[in-house]
Amino acid sequence: DADVTQTPRNRITKTGKRIMLECSQTKGHDRMYWYRQDPGLGLRLIYYSFDVKDINKGEISDGYSVSRQAQAKFSLSLESAIPNQTALYFCATSDMGTGPYNEQFFGPGTRLTVL
Amino acid sequence: GQQVMQIPQYQHVQEGEDFTTYCNSSTTLSNIQWYKQRPGGHPVFLIQLVKSGEVKKQKRLTFQFGEAKKNSSLHITATQTTDVGTYFCAVHHTGTASKLTFGTGTRLQVTL
Repeated sequence: DADVTQTPRNRITKTGKRIMLECSQTKGHDRMYWYRQDPGLGLRLIYYSFDVKDINKGEISDGYSVSRQAQAKFSLSLESAIPNQTALYFCATSDMGTGPYNEQFFGPGTRLTVL
Repeated sequence: GQQVMQIPQYQHVQEGEDFTTYCNSSTTLSNIQWYKQRPGGHPVFLIQLVKSGEVKKQKRLTFQFGEAKKNSSLHITATQTTDVGTYFCAVHHTGTASKLTFGTGTRLQVTL
């Protein structure tokens, strides 16, 4: 979805390096999410945020941290990258809307390789 | 953690054949969403089911939510090559409206 952008789109880094993945959205949504996708494992939630002051751990937050710099920006950091963090990372957003079960809109993804 | 089982993991059909993927949970679901991810792409929302026994159709796609709200299915009639991709169910478990749990996905390959 062009309204959700991720940078970089591809990144190769070395073990032990710090890396930041960035996500921006122009949809005006309050809720933002970071997922990782591995073959055969679907999408797993890393962190999510319902507004600038709200940060919550997902099911696989170890080794990751996030920052919600503004309503439109949500960054994911790997403080010391390791090879098993090689994956496809997606940012997503959703609107609070009239109920809690709103659809999520995904960015194009960042393919991260840790050597 | 809460788990959602999705089967089959992979299916290869010839164009024109039907296809079904199933999503199962051991706990009651608040709702279920279905997403499609084309090869090299990102997940795109297809539909949401909320009511027990609900059935919704989108052209050749039929979505069902089980009576007990613990399972769902996506059925594609007369597949086309444009249906290629991975189909994910995603669920909010009762009492956890804040986040989705995705199934492992079913990858569909369609050949002529």
